[in-house]
Amino acid sequence: NAGVTQTPKFQVLKTGQSMTLQCAQDMNHEYMSWYRQDPGMGLRLIHYSVGAGITDQGEVPNGYNVSRSTTEDFPLRLLSAAPSQTSVYFCASRSRGNEQFFGPGTRLTVL
Amino acid sequence: SQELEQSPQSLIVQEGKNLTINCTSSKTLYGLYWYKQKYGEGLIFLMMLQKGGEEKSHEKITAKLDEKKQQSSLHITASQPSHAGIYLCGAGPRGSSNTGKLIFGQGTTLQVKP
Repeated sequence: NAGVTQTPKFQVLKTGQSMTLQCAQDMNHEYMSWYRQDPGMGLRLIHYSVGAGITDQGEVPNGYNVSRSTTEDFPLRLLSAAPSQTSVYFCASRSRGNEQFFGPGTRLTVL
Repeated sequence: SQELEQSPQSLIVQEGKNLTINCTSSKTLYGLYWYKQKYGEGLIFLMMLQKGGEEKSHEKITAKLDEKKQQSSLHITASQPSHAGIYLCGAGPRGSSNTGKLIFGQGTTLQVKP
């Protein structure tokens, strides 16, 4: 198993550009989540999904969209990037009652 | 909404010393997770606690969930440079095991001096 994979590892955007951060898992986990990590603030939940076709907002959803068309994939879209979205983004997945597995992260810089 | 507060925010210890990191919740904990993160890397799962009074150990790391289920502690015995990193606690509201909706504390940065 590859576990949770994320692409790209690094990305630099200009303000106003759009992009999609990719996340995939091959463990057949029902639940998938996106977090952002900023210095001194730990991990903050952006969006999460309890299964294909079902998503919900976390603590900091503004500026981000998600969709879950398959069990394996959970992409995160930035429609119009802002400098405040400069952060490290982590995707995670888990099955019911078990620990959450994290991907390696994507470092995003918005200029 | 539930909030997790970790203390201390940062810690510097001499190799061989014991240390404790605390995670306090604003609401009852239903599942508490401890993770470790090396700088610039992803999160590594350490332990999961679910029952009040539960205690788990792995190598030199022990985690406890208090009886009232609003605080957890992570204790490292005889610290080594390999223990250095950021420790994060994560938890969810009741029923979060059915949603994957976990929140995290702000993290505790540990440095171990050789």
